[in-house]
Amino acid sequence: GAGVSQSPSNKVTEKGKDVELRCDPISGHTALYWYRQRLGQGLEFLIYFQGNSAPDKSGLPSDRFSAERTGESVSTLTIQRTQQEDSAVYLCASSLESSANTGELFFGEGSRLTVL
Amino acid sequence: AQSVTQPDIHITVSEGASLELRCNYSYGATPYLFWYVQSPGQGLQLLLKYFSGDTLVQGIKGFEAEFKRSQSSFNLRKPSVHWSDAAEYFCAVASTDSWGKLQFGAGTQVVVTP
Repeated sequence: GAGVSQSPSNKVTEKGKDVELRCDPISGHTALYWYRQRLGQGLEFLIYFQGNSAPDKSGLPSDRFSAERTGESVSTLTIQRTQQEDSAVYLCASSLESSANTGELFFGEGSRLTVL
Repeated sequence: AQSVTQPDIHITVSEGASLELRCNYSYGATPYLFWYVQSPGQGLQLLLKYFSGDTLVQGIKGFEAEFKRSQSSFNLRKPSVHWSDAAEYFCAVASTDSWGKLQFGAGTQVVVTP
């Protein structure tokens, strides 16, 4: 497809389990972002990948959260030992590096995580 | 501390009436400013942005926003709303050296009545 694709769209897990969320950015987009949206709240920045540069991990809430990106393609966000407070929608976005002038992030529809 | 405030959690407006959504920010310097819309079952979409220049910014879907430096505000307006404008609207800011690392407000839910 032409847009940012995320999977799974919904994930229910038990407290303490690990989960992996996947993001396929728009082809050719060098920048990739992960955000978290808790119920009734705005989005929180988690992590940012730009090309081959070291990722900006400044938004990750704890060391249970990690993310990887292979080149300029797929990214996975991993949450280890999930807690109930991790329940949220995890949104991925991508952009062209040059779109600092256009200033537009293209968001996927998100992965809704529910931790029981 | 940096913050983005959307004072109205929920707004109900009649179709055809005007709409104004408020956004105030607290930031060390003039940031980049954005409005995004999130419709049910869809991802977030950029409505408009302010980087510099003319303080009245035109966006998609007939929306506009005005940057007022003295009030640290970036309010969103539409002269005549359509039923399809029912959605959640988010104001966001970013530093000029990391424009994609957005700090979002909590959002304003807009309901449009016939």
